[in-house]
Amino acid sequence: GQNIDQPTEMTATEGAIVQINCTYQTSGFNGLFWYQQHAGEAPTFLSYNVLDGLEEKGRFSSFLSRSKGYSYLLLKELQMKDSASYLCAVRASNDYKLSFGAGTTVTVRA
Amino acid sequence: DAGITQSPRHKVTETGTPVTLRCHQTENHRYMYWYRQDPGHGLRLIHYSYGVKDTDKGEVSDGYSVSRSKTEDFLLTLESATSSQTSVYFCAIRPTGSSTDTQYFGPGTRLTVL
Repeated sequence: GQNIDQPTEMTATEGAIVQINCTYQTSGFNGLFWYQQHAGEAPTFLSYNVLDGLEEKGRFSSFLSRSKGYSYLLLKELQMKDSASYLCAVRASNDYKLSFGAGTTVTVRA
Repeated sequence: DAGITQSPRHKVTETGTPVTLRCHQTENHRYMYWYRQDPGHGLRLIHYSYGVKDTDKGEVSDGYSVSRSKTEDFLLTLESATSSQTSVYFCAIRPTGSSTDTQYFGPGTRLTVL
């Protein structure tokens, strides 16, 4: 099976930066995804990494190190609306399936 | 908006009854997926489809069956519902021709089995 680990909860202050780590041990690697999920809603796509390095998209950035089996999602200039669960997912094989971590709940305090 | 709808959105049923959940998409995507989401487990793949009448099992397929008789509909059936199948069920699609294999999710169905 696939093993994807991320912290359960994180708390940060409005305007601050938070880094959510994800480590994975999978049978193969064909890409890593980050999703955001607000309470009671569906996950929405945030970012995709398949090569090593940093991908930046506005206030959100995602980093990947394939050799270390490691990724992080960086949320800058935190806003109250960023309070949500953040899901790390890996495509391990060529059959278009994703394996998800359990998610990290981020709470932004005023 | 990936044009995905799920029905029903909420359902309460009793142990032992059959339940069918429907996922409908309007854009003729080939790949469709059913996940369940439970606290502490994240999203787990139940079954997926890569075309009409082409389906395969995911990691938690026991107790579930699926059917896809036309491109736009992917049905998930619980033949005899159990309390352990109380969960939120999400359908997802992978857009045809996607270069990143990103999946997009429907709004979800909250199922309670009493």
